[in-house]
Amino acid sequence: AQTVTQSQPEMSVQEAETVTLSCTYDTSESDYYLFWYKQPPSRQMILVIRQEAYKQQNATENRFSVNFQKAAKSFSLKISDSQLGDAAMYFCAYTSGTYKYIFGTGTRLKVLA
Amino acid sequence: DAGVTQSPTHLIKTRGQQVTLRCSPKSGHDTVSWYQQALGQGPQFIFQYYEEEERQRGNFPDRFSGHQFPNYSSELNVNALLLGDSALYLCASSLGQYYQPQHFGDGTRLSIL
Repeated sequence: AQTVTQSQPEMSVQEAETVTLSCTYDTSESDYYLFWYKQPPSRQMILVIRQEAYKQQNATENRFSVNFQKAAKSFSLKISDSQLGDAAMYFCAYTSGTYKYIFGTGTRLKVLA
Repeated sequence: DAGVTQSPTHLIKTRGQQVTLRCSPKSGHDTVSWYQQALGQGPQFIFQYYEEEERQRGNFPDRFSGHQFPNYSSELNVNALLLGDSALYLCASSLGQYYQPQHFGDGTRLSIL
C-alpha cells in the first residue's frame, strides 16, 4: 500500500528566509504524481506545486520549488523569501492511476516577522 | 468563475442519525472526491465519483455512501453516525484524469454529540 510521511509536525522560518519541508513516500508503482497543498487557517486548501514521477526536472512555481529524489522516494518543498502569508499547514500528497489520493499528516509552518 | 461550493458550513447531529452533505464542483470539472479531515490531521480519502459512478474508494465503511448527479454535483451520505465521525468533510473537484490537481471547497464541519 502507498504511504506518505511528513516527519516535521511544525517548522518556523524568519520572514525573507528559506525553509524546506520534508516528505517521503512509499509506492511500488512507476507512474504517479506528487503534490504539495497549502491549507491556511480556516481557509481553502490550494495547490502549491505538482511533480510527475517521470520528469527528472524538479518543479518550480515562483518562490516554491521541490527536490524530487525518486530513488530515495523523497519529495521536499523549498520556500524561498518566506512571507507572512506563507504561514499555513502544508500537506504532501500522492496519486496514481488508481485515482486514490493519499495525504501526509501535514507540517504547520510559522513565519516569524 | 465559481469554485467548489459545499453546504452546509456547519452541522450538529447526534449519534445514530444520518447526514447528507452537498458539493458543487468548479465549473468545467467532472470529477468529485470526498475527504474526511480530523482535527490536526491530513485529509483521508473517502471516495471519488466520475460519470455518476464511484470510481475509487478509501478505507471507509459502507455507512459512507455517495452520489453524483448529471450536472456533476455530489452528495456524501453518512448513516448511523458515530462520535468518531466528527470531522471536517472536504469536497474536491477536478478534471477526469488522475494527474489533474484537485480544487477544494471550504468544507463542512460535522459535530456529533
